[in-house]
Amino acid sequence: DAGVIQSPRHEVTEMGQEVTLRCKPISGHDYLFWYRQTMMRGLELLIYFNNNVPIDDSGMPEDRFSAKMPNASFSTLKIQPSEPRDSAVYFCASSPSVEGAVYGYTFGSGTRLTVV
Amino acid sequence: QQQVKQSPQSLIVQKGGISIINCAYENTAFDYFPWYQQFPGKGPALLIAIRPDVSEKKEGRFTISFNKSAKQFSLHIMDSQPGDSATYFCAAERGSGGGADGLTFGKGTHLIIQP
Repeated sequence: DAGVIQSPRHEVTEMGQEVTLRCKPISGHDYLFWYRQTMMRGLELLIYFNNNVPIDDSGMPEDRFSAKMPNASFSTLKIQPSEPRDSAVYFCASSPSVEGAVYGYTFGSGTRLTVV
Repeated sequence: QQQVKQSPQSLIVQKGGISIINCAYENTAFDYFPWYQQFPGKGPALLIAIRPDVSEKKEGRFTISFNKSAKQFSLHIMDSQPGDSATYFCAAERGSGGGADGLTFGKGTHLIIQP
């Protein structure tokens, strides 16, 4: 198993540009999570999906952020327009569920986003 | 999300010593308590996890101690090795009962094992 695959690994963009981060979860995992990591705020949950349906997006900081999961093997996190304060490492994680319980998230290697 | 408080922020331990990291939570609905290990440039990786029906879980050199009444849990790393140098995160979730809230993470502990 290749694990959770995120792309790109690094992204540098100018303020005001659109940024799209991509994630391929582990096959068979029915939960997908997007997290953001910064030194100041640590790991923050942005949004998560269950069976491709967004369940809770209360962690999305602003309307500039949006996420989609068009199928079980692909999700995107989009920032439009991007701002310098969006600079962070963005992680995607997936998890299987057993009888409704979630077990053992697997994280991708992250996308380091720098907005200049 | 309810807060999970983690301490210390950083920790230096001599090789062969015991590393201890502590966490406290507020939400009594949490029923899944994992610890994650993160190396620079990598995503967090699940190290060990416990559910509140047991007070201790051991896997190799890693042990979780859980105190439900105090709403606290801790990670003990026995015989600490330089390869254990990493950032450790505790987390908590209401992971059962038909739904998931997503993991709430502590702020992390930067552990350095000195040779």
